[in-house]
Amino acid sequence: AQSVTQLDSHVSVSEGTPVLLRCNYSSSYSPSLFWYVQHPNKGLQLLLKYTSAATLVKGINGFEAEFKKSETSFHLTKPSAHMSDAAEYFCVVTDLTGANNLFFGTGTRLTVIP
Amino acid sequence: DSGVTQTPKHLITATGQRVTLRCSPRSGDLSVYWYQQSLDQGLQFLIQYYNGEERAKGNILERFSAQQFPDLHSELNLSSLELGDSALYFCASSARGEGYTFGSGTRLTVV
Repeated sequence: AQSVTQLDSHVSVSEGTPVLLRCNYSSSYSPSLFWYVQHPNKGLQLLLKYTSAATLVKGINGFEAEFKKSETSFHLTKPSAHMSDAAEYFCVVTDLTGANNLFFGTGTRLTVIP
Repeated sequence: DSGVTQTPKHLITATGQRVTLRCSPRSGDLSVYWYQQSLDQGLQFLIQYYNGEERAKGNILERFSAQQFPDLHSELNLSSLELGDSALYFCASSARGEGYTFGSGTRLTVV
């Protein structure tokens, strides 16, 4: 069965400092992993995805994530936080050999302090 | 604009009523997924359709049903509504092997 665990429900950083949002996954098959962002009262936007190509994935808005199979992790990072990064972030796993469903983590709320 | 269109954006209705949420997928995407986002349950997968056929079911209540039409748009029907059904309902579409594109959601409030 597939699942993800987002280790922090809330992360607070100062503007201009690095961001680290942690995600561990569990999957019976070769997983595909995604990070989505949800701004207040908005829909879900895809930040980046891992689908068994390069383990370091670059996404939009300067975000990137590294797939580490040995650690079953897919942490999201950004070198320098911007005020506009304040949002809810979801780590997502899916099994493309199965029903193609997305399994969402519980989300991490990122606060950026001016 | 993500390319996935959901209507209406907001819906307020009374308990016991029935509502229909509509989703138009991104052009060319055959798969449509419905998700429910609530404060206590987070984001939950409800149901998936692929080219008009039901492909997978998640945590969908028997009071809820969905269908996908020949033009690939989908409708989610929620009946005998309860206060606990108040949530944000998202539709997503995908083409196999690509990411999932979400609509902006329908916020349902049951009073």
